[in-house]
Amino acid sequence: AQSVTQLGSHVSVSEGALVLLRCNYSSSVPPYLFWYVQYPNQGLQLLLKYTTGATLVKGINGFEAEFKKSETSFHLTKPSAHMSDAAEYFCAVRLGGSNYKLTFGKGTLLTVNP
Amino acid sequence: KAGVTQTPRYLIKTRGQQVTLSCSPISGHRSVSWYQQTPGQGLQFLFEYFSETQRNKGNFPGRFSGRQFSNSRSEMNVSTLELGDSALYLCASSLAPRGYNEQFFGPGTRLTVL
Repeated sequence: AQSVTQLGSHVSVSEGALVLLRCNYSSSVPPYLFWYVQYPNQGLQLLLKYTTGATLVKGINGFEAEFKKSETSFHLTKPSAHMSDAAEYFCAVRLGGSNYKLTFGKGTLLTVNP
Repeated sequence: KAGVTQTPRYLIKTRGQQVTLSCSPISGHRSVSWYQQTPGQGLQFLFEYFSETQRNKGNFPGRFSGRQFSNSRSEMNVSTLELGDSALYLCASSLAPRGYNEQFFGPGTRLTVL
């Protein structure tokens, strides 16, 4: 069975600083990996996904993530934080085959300080 | 293209009652998944439907059920409500049940059980 661990339930950065949100996964087969963002009282919006191919994936709003198979990691980064980035971020894994459910991490709440 | 819509957005029920939540997927999407989000348990997979058939089910009691109609719209039902069923229920749609397909989430229905 797959699982996702997000290190740090709360990350606080200053505006303009680097954002790094950590995600490690456990999977018996090569997984599909996703990062979602959730703003208050809203659903989830996809930031980026890794399926196959290039391991450095670029997403919306300046975010990117790198799939590192040897480290079973898929950390999310953004060079310069903006106030509008304050939200909760979820890493998720999904296997191929016949089971298409998304397994989510517990989430990381990002606070951006002025 | 309209996004995933969920109705109602907010719902208050009392213990023992039952509730039905509705989800309309993005036009052309045939796969619908449901998730429960709570502060304690995070995001948990409930079930997934494709072509009116339940393809996967999460680890929830039989009080939780769902169905999908021929137009891909989906409903989920919770019978004999318990206080612990208070949560945000999220519906997500995708083109087809493939691991690499993005799931698009609706805004959710916030259920409060008193």
